[in-house]
Amino acid sequence: SAVISQKPSRDICQRGTSLTIQCQVDSQVTMMFWYRQQPGQSLTLIATANQGSEATYESGFVIDKFPISRPNLTFSTLTVSNMSPEDSSIYLCSVVGQGFYGYTFGSGTRLTVV
Amino acid sequence: GIQVEQSPPDLILQEGANSTLRCNFSDSVNNLQWFHQNPWGQLINLFYIPSGTKQNGRLSATTVATERYSLLYISSSQTTDSGVYFCAVSGGGADGLTFGKGTHLIIQP
Repeated sequence: SAVISQKPSRDICQRGTSLTIQCQVDSQVTMMFWYRQQPGQSLTLIATANQGSEATYESGFVIDKFPISRPNLTFSTLTVSNMSPEDSSIYLCSVVGQGFYGYTFGSGTRLTVV
Repeated sequence: GIQVEQSPPDLILQEGANSTLRCNFSDSVNNLQWFHQNPWGQLINLFYIPSGTKQNGRLSATTVATERYSLLYISSSQTTDSGVYFCAVSGGGADGLTFGKGTHLIIQP
């Protein structure tokens, strides 16, 4: 399965600022997915990022708040913009590897907004 | 979208006990996975099991796709099995996963 490197692993940010999370995959993948896990909750899909096209956002998530870049088949970034304490969550990227043996997840970015 | 329900929501067991976790889903799926999230937040893929039965050491899983449920069995529990177990499904290859709310498992020594 694909190996995903996600950075940063954790950060503490001031409200009103933005944070960009990076996701690097060791193989080329068509689709990359971004999830949010709020404290004590399950994972929720934010958006699907395809190379060469606009990301597709799930209901309740908008591009102005969570802009996504997908410059090539091995890399993507998610920005959390104009942060508030409610954005404190774990953010994870995910891919489907070759041959489709399921989805693989990065180790996550634990974000705290103060 | 597909709904995923997991039971029980919480489970406390003594070391050495066996357990069964259940996942019900509302529509046909082409992917079903079981994950373990450890206390440090890391999400570990246990099984990719859209149908059939698989075993990996003390863990095994069965999915009955026609009846829309999956079971995860943990035998001879160890304290390191503690954490949250998630079931997640997708209906198509281009879809992201829909997660259940998880089962919070605590194994006491």
